[in-house]
Order: sequence, then C-alpha cells, then structure tokens
Amino acid sequence: DAGVIQSPRHEVTEMGQEVTLRCKPISGHNSLFWYRQTMMRGLELLIYFNNNVPIDDSGMPEDRFSAKMPNASFSTLKIQPSEPRDSAVYFCASTRTENGYTFGSGTRLTVV
Amino acid sequence: DQQVKQNSPSLSVQEGRISILNCDYTNSMFDYFLWYKKYPAEGPTFLISISSIKDKNEDGRFTVFLNKSAKHLSLHIVPSQPGDSAVYFCAASETNAGKSTFGDGTTLTVKP
Repeated sequence: DAGVIQSPRHEVTEMGQEVTLRCKPISGHNSLFWYRQTMMRGLELLIYFNNNVPIDDSGMPEDRFSAKMPNASFSTLKIQPSEPRDSAVYFCASTRTENGYTFGSGTRLTVV
Repeated sequence: DQQVKQNSPSLSVQEGRISILNCDYTNSMFDYFLWYKKYPAEGPTFLISISSIKDKNEDGRFTVFLNKSAKHLSLHIVPSQPGDSAVYFCAASETNAGKSTFGDGTTLTVKP
C-alpha cells in the first residue's frame, strides 16, 4: 500500500495564479480530509468528504478555495486566485472507520 | 475558541525516562481521542487512540489515559527513546470516523 499520495510536494506560485493540489487516498478508505497547517493556526480542517460527498466545508476560508472528489480515488483542492496568506502546508488524509487518519506527506505551498 | 489545547509547546526528557504529554479539551461531545506523531517534512502518523468508554489504552511503550470528568488526556511514553523526538498532536472527534479537531502540538525532544 503506497499510502495517501499528494502532489506536488512543493509549489511556488505568484499571487493571482490558480493552484491545484491533488490527493489519492488509500484504496478502500471512504472518508477524505483536507487540512492546512500554519504557524498561526496549527492544523485546521478545510473540508471533508464521505463516500465522495462533501460533508463539511465550514473550514474553507473563502470562495477562492474549492475542493472536489469526482471518484473514490482522487480529490483536488483548488485556490483561485492565490494570495500570499495562503502559503502553508496542505495535508490530505483518509480513513475507513477506526484507528485514525492516514496522512499524506503534504504539499508545501508558497505564494509570492 | 480552541476546543483542543496542548498547553506545553515543548518537552525535553532523558532517554530511558518517562515522557508525559498532556491535552485538554472543552467540547463535551468529543468521544474519541487520538494521538499523532509528526516528523519534519512528513505528515502526521497515527499513534494511539482511546474511546470515551475507556480510561486507559496501551500499545507497547505508549499509553493514553483519559479523564472525562476533567476533560483531560495524556500520553505516556515509557521508556523514551531518541527516535521518539517529534511533534505530538492530540486530536478529538465526536465519532470515530468523523472530523477531528487537532491541538497545536507538543515538540518532544529525547536526549541520549
């Protein structure tokens, strides 16, 4: 099992550009989460899906952020347009039921 | 309003001694609690969990204690090893597969 796969690992982009982060969850996991980690706010939940359906997107900071899960094996988090304050590490995680999440290695986003 | 708090940003212990990491929560609806370990440039890794129907759960060198009346949990690592040096996150959720709220983390350093 390759675990949760996120791409890219690092992204540097200019303010105003569109950024797309990608995640492949573990096969068989039915819940997928997007978290953002910053020094100021720690690990905060942005959105989570259950069986490919968005359940709670109350953590999505603004309309500039959107997330999709078109099928059980793929999810994207898009920021359009990006701003310097979006710079953070974005983690994707998946789980089936018990025993916690499996996190990906994260995408470090820098918006200049 | 931070619902999960880890009041100690850092902890340093000697190899072979006990490490005790603490976590407090405010939401009485939380009934499932987890600890994660995070190394630099990696995603958090699930360590151990406990349901609210228990007050203790052990897994090798790791033991989690839950005091529901005090809304407090702790992670004990005995004996501590240098490889345990990492950031430890406490997390809580209302079900064992729902969204988790994370604390800010405690950086543990185990000195040889």
